[in-house]
Amino acid sequence: EAQVTQNPRYLITVTGKKLTVTCSQNMNHEYMSWYRQDPGLGLRQIYYSMNVEVTDKGDVPEGYKVSRKEKRNFPLILESPSPNQTSLYFCASSLFGQSHNEQFFGPGTRLTVL
Amino acid sequence: AQKITQTQPGMFVQEKEAVTLDCTYDTSDPSYGLFWYKQPSSGEMIFLIYQGSYDQQNATEGRYSLNFQKARKSANLVISASQLGDSAMYFCAMRPTMDSSYKLIFGSGTRLLVRP
Repeated sequence: EAQVTQNPRYLITVTGKKLTVTCSQNMNHEYMSWYRQDPGLGLRQIYYSMNVEVTDKGDVPEGYKVSRKEKRNFPLILESPSPNQTSLYFCASSLFGQSHNEQFFGPGTRLTVL
Repeated sequence: AQKITQTQPGMFVQEKEAVTLDCTYDTSDPSYGLFWYKQPSSGEMIFLIYQGSYDQQNATEGRYSLNFQKARKSANLVISASQLGDSAMYFCAMRPTMDSSYKLIFGSGTRLLVRP
């Protein structure tokens, strides 16, 4: 089954404790992206990757890091989480190049930073 | 500025009736794609329908249709014969072709509640 997986699905942590949210896709997509969803703001892009070893900042990259060492994986790293990073996070993947290419979303990770 | 506006934070519709969810967009890019996603209470994002800026006909997918009015920069989602399972958050999104990030720009969403 074609899918994007994320782990963990739920996470409660404390300020400053480094964490990683994993994302993996099995569709051989070049493009992967991380979004955060906050009430009243919709989804906003954090980071994206066009292919292996190619990553770039999205609209709200502060406080986050990513890596793309393999095509299927695109982990999101919070080196020192803060309460304002409490949010619902989505990983997405798609083929790259055409405007009609659907982005497939993972199930989401609900993060709470105390 | 590239922007999606959804002016209806919440809506009610009676089961089996049709409902229109509004979406307007702003972009200077002559080529773009418009998407609608559904987010049920379980949280996942479900792709519903796509409309390209150069498509001559309005997109349809089953009970979903997109009322695309390019001159007005609107891309309203029409759900026909509403079902209880349609109760969810709905997001309109745009991808300008010239945006190098290839990102989707989302609106703030409309929460739809279908009444039995």
